[in-house]
Amino acid sequence: RKEVEQDPGPFNVPEGATVAFNCTYSNSASQSFFWYRQDCRKEPKLLMSVYSSGNEDGRFTAQLNRASQYISLLIRDSKLSDSATYLCVVNIRGYSSASKIIFGSGTRLSIRP
Amino acid sequence: DTGVSQNPRHKITKRGQNVTFRCDPISEHNRLYWYRQTLGQGPEFLTYFQNEAQLEKSRLLSDRFSAERPKGSFSTLEIQRTEQGDSAMYLCASSLADRELRYTTNEKLFFGSGTQLSVL
Repeated sequence: RKEVEQDPGPFNVPEGATVAFNCTYSNSASQSFFWYRQDCRKEPKLLMSVYSSGNEDGRFTAQLNRASQYISLLIRDSKLSDSATYLCVVNIRGYSSASKIIFGSGTRLSIRP
Repeated sequence: DTGVSQNPRHKITKRGQNVTFRCDPISEHNRLYWYRQTLGQGPEFLTYFQNEAQLEKSRLLSDRFSAERPKGSFSTLEIQRTEQGDSAMYLCASSLADRELRYTTNEKLFFGSGTQLSVL
């Protein structure tokens, strides 16, 4: 089982729509959680951290459910520029007790005019 | 440019050859990560350093892969006896982590543009 799992998509939605992605993680000792965005042929960039209480950043809302070990990202009023791959990221404890940051395989989002 | 720098941007090599990549992190960052990414997949963790210490290495990483960060600044990733399956984008990232604790709850990675390796 992968440590971080995401629906690969693609999600193809019209501009202005609301879209949500989920992500599950397997290690209950996971400490912190993030969403990264990766544009085609570019490096990943941090979109937002995910906090237990849930957090918003403009049109983006992230939530964490530790009991069920899943993370979600909601994008409201989607824009053409939101088209990208969204990577779920988890900071987990490695076998040597050091932490390591693990990426999911990403969910592709395409916004159509 | 004060971001993460990786060289070369592209590398084409023949199977069996050795290759070495370099990463220069953001200067004040104490952690440095190496990832590998293939088309349609997310970045796959390879290894990471805190200063010059290599703290974690993926169990999936074969003995042909080695990484160093001798002075706690730039890092090199070497692949010996390359195979076609090694073809991928190799990404480096750096972060500023708490110097006292091994666990950082809000660590943010900054990536370089990557080195695209093609093994013929």
